[in-house]
Amino acid sequence: DAGITQSPRHKVTETGTPVTLRCHQTENHRYMYWYRQDPGHGLRLIHYSYGVKDTDKGEVSDGYSVSRSKTEDFLLTLESATSSQTSVYFCAISRDSLALFFGEGSRLTVL
Amino acid sequence: EDKVVQSPLSLVVHEGDTVTLNCSYEVTNFRSLLWYKQEKKAPTFLFMLTSSGIEKKSGRLSSILDKKELFSILNITATQTGDSAVYLCAVDPNAGGTSYGKLTFGQGTILTVHP
Repeated sequence: DAGITQSPRHKVTETGTPVTLRCHQTENHRYMYWYRQDPGHGLRLIHYSYGVKDTDKGEVSDGYSVSRSKTEDFLLTLESATSSQTSVYFCAISRDSLALFFGEGSRLTVL
Repeated sequence: EDKVVQSPLSLVVHEGDTVTLNCSYEVTNFRSLLWYKQEKKAPTFLFMLTSSGIEKKSGRLSSILDKKELFSILNITATQTGDSAVYLCAVDPNAGGTSYGKLTFGQGTILTVHP
């Protein structure tokens, strides 16, 4: 258990609706990440944050935005969900060792 | 473009067997290579390797990195059914500045251990 909580854990939504996934950490780490996992693609970085209000894009950032107004919370927003965004989303933190530790994942289905 | 390739993609063994999982990589810069185990939920951290030739070991699992040949192996001895999982290899490129943890993952090796 890396002190990371993701919510919701499961969500089904319709194409075109906005969706926000929340990642909450209890360990006061500076770095936080959002990855998505899809069959055949492994895990891919969407966005990451290196501090409050400091974020940057990853490999697959199109269609996603993030916000970090507090150290403990990192939000991932899909402004208008599409079926291609059906995936499992993992939040991660980076501890001093620079290894990433992952949350339990949020399964999103876009119909 | 950074690339991580794992082999084999899947492997079926019996309890007590020894397995070797492979990970090769091509990256512009290199900070570290990491191994994760993923069962039904989140990937769990196993090892981080930064230096060539130094074996990391934890119980029946061990891993080594060859930075000259750009690969790593993960060995599991005396396998148990609880070792059944997807094993993920990832590389952290050294992009400097605030670019920590921007891992590039391989597709994973699905290991199935039968009783």
